[in-house]
Amino acid sequence: SAVISQKPSRDICQRGTSLTIQCQVDSQVTMMFWYRQQPGQSLTLIATANQGSEATYESGFVIDKFPISRPNLTFSTLTVSNMSPEDSSIYLCSVALGGLHEQYFGPGTRLTVT
Amino acid sequence: GQSLEQPSEVTAVEGAIVQINCTYQTSGFYGLSWYQQHDGGAPTFLSYNGLDGLEETGRFSSFLSRSDSYGYLLLQELQMKDSASYFCAVPNQAGTALIFGKGTTLSVSS
Repeated sequence: SAVISQKPSRDICQRGTSLTIQCQVDSQVTMMFWYRQQPGQSLTLIATANQGSEATYESGFVIDKFPISRPNLTFSTLTVSNMSPEDSSIYLCSVALGGLHEQYFGPGTRLTVT
Repeated sequence: GQSLEQPSEVTAVEGAIVQINCTYQTSGFYGLSWYQQHDGGAPTFLSYNGLDGLEETGRFSSFLSRSDSYGYLLLQELQMKDSASYFCAVPNQAGTALIFGKGTTLSVSS
């Protein structure tokens, strides 16, 4: 397994501003993912952030809005840019260990945009 | 594309057995995973089926039939702490990330 931490755990931000979410893993992993989850809803994949390559974004998510950094095998950041109330959600990072099917998630960042 | 169907809600009583079904449509198939998420918590990996048949892990078992594009999670000897959302997941078409179902909320009562 892996221990994953995220910062901040929650934040309230004003529209038009940006927030950077950090994800730290206690071991070196290649595959890392960023998800968004509305309360009571499923997980929606934002992007795959594998170290050594550019992040791959899913349909509906663009780099200008959600820039991602992956400087090494234990760390990644996701920035939510020019925020609007529609960006209010829980943002989760995850890593894949032993295969894509077995992912471990961080505790999430609860973002509220006012 | 990939799609998954699972019931939105299931209710049961302590000590009972409950089965959560998942049907999927994929253009390629790399296996079916199950995750548990308690309210306010992060998803946690429960089990994986890459081949047909039953995988057992304690009180939880997971089954896969690739010919039927169907799987299920079986929870036995239910406890109150099993009240949570359960998600099935399959890899995307490229096999580079997981796609999650909409989730099944399990409520266990005494």
